[in-house]
Amino acid sequence: QSVLTQPPSVSAAPGQKVTISCSGTSSNLGNNYVSWYQQLPGTAPKLLIYESNKRPSGIPDRFSGSKSGTSATLGITGLQTGDEADYYCGTWDNNLSAGVFGGGTKLTVL
Amino acid sequence: QITLKESGPTLVNPTQTLTLTCTFSGFSLTTSGVGVGWIRQPPGKALEWLALIYWDDVKRYSPALRSRLTISKDTSKSQVVLTLTNMDPVDAATYYCARRLGGNHYFDYWGQGTLVTVFS
Repeated sequence: QSVLTQPPSVSAAPGQKVTISCSGTSSNLGNNYVSWYQQLPGTAPKLLIYESNKRPSGIPDRFSGSKSGTSATLGITGLQTGDEADYYCGTWDNNLSAGVFGGGTKLTVL
Repeated sequence: QITLKESGPTLVNPTQTLTLTCTFSGFSLTTSGVGVGWIRQPPGKALEWLALIYWDDVKRYSPALRSRLTISKDTSKSQVVLTLTNMDPVDAATYYCARRLGGNHYFDYWGQGTLVTVFS
């Protein structure tokens, strides 16, 4: 059971927009930045968003992040079939003094 | 160019101790703010945060596995070592190491991962 809660799956058509939620508590998301990772099938996770809304170099602006209180959201616009992957949120938990991840969300581009 | 690579046994017996090595390049674990962490992923399941070691040798562990985990570093070899004692079939997973940079917790570079099977 993951500390952060994500929907197991989301889907949308090519070209459309999708959002993925990540819910936590005051000990984690409520007081820390969130990061998001994309894991394509058979590969290692890749950083998509850090410090809640910043994109590393090379990540297209179709990907965006936001955080409010104890919840965070990853947005993906202009969906492509190549975006089909598992997406994970992560942060630090002050009570656990450890990092935590969400359970992951599988994105299907119909 | 920053790279990380995990190495270690692909198969362990139950009750044995797993020792994994993360060998990295392109950065130093003596630089203020830098850390290297371990994350695992059982087949078909979610990521699980395991442990982290900082440039100043501060260590953090998953509370669920704290009694079984040890993380250490050898800065001269650019390596971080993770040991997990008393291996069980539920510990079978792909184990990743990754770099943590800065004061806010995120992993910006990841290794390719190494799959560990626990044979019973």
